[in-house]
Amino acid sequence: AQSVTQLDSQVPVFEEAPVELRCNYSSSVSVYLFWYVQYPNQGLQLLLKYLSGSTLVKGINGFEAEFNKSQTSFHLRKPSVHISDTAEYFCAVREFYNQGGKLIFGQGTELSVKP
Amino acid sequence: GAVVSQHPSWVICKSGTSVKIECRSLDFQATTMFWYRQFPKQSLMLMATSNEGSKATYEQGVEKDKFLINHASLTLSTLTVTSAHPEDSSFYICSAILAGQGSNEQFFGPGTRLTVL
Repeated sequence: AQSVTQLDSQVPVFEEAPVELRCNYSSSVSVYLFWYVQYPNQGLQLLLKYLSGSTLVKGINGFEAEFNKSQTSFHLRKPSVHISDTAEYFCAVREFYNQGGKLIFGQGTELSVKP
Repeated sequence: GAVVSQHPSWVICKSGTSVKIECRSLDFQATTMFWYRQFPKQSLMLMATSNEGSKATYEQGVEKDKFLINHASLTLSTLTVTSAHPEDSSFYICSAILAGQGSNEQFFGPGTRLTVL
């Protein structure tokens, strides 16, 4: 069975500082990996995804993530955050052969950017 | 492209009444749609997978008679919360898969806030 663990429930950071949101997964098969952002009272917006190829993936809003197969991690990073990055971030995985497309989500990390 | 809408965005109802939430894929056909429930400060919990023209597949612990799902067309799925009670108050989010896409990326709706009094 798959599982996703986001190691930090809350990450406070000052504006223009770098940030890393950690995500580890467990799966016996190959997976696709996703990071989503959720602003208050809104749905989820895709930040980036890893399907195959280069392990460093660049997404929207200056975010990037690196897939590390040996450590089963997919940490999200941004070199300089803005106040507007304050939101909830979710890591998710889907089994490569799961044609039903079912996603497994982590618990979420609340990023709070302070001036 | 790949926009998913939900209607209504919020609803308040009395205990015992039924509420219908619509999920539409606006600019693409979606063979599969998903319904999630999210409690405050928590992750998304998958309730069911909805396939066009067939019965929905419910996750363990989700009452299929309480949460009725209908996927009548390739662009519309509905979730009806029957005989709603205060504990059904939650944020309901749907998503849809763009047909023919290998990664089966899910596109999410904006969510519906249900409050049962």
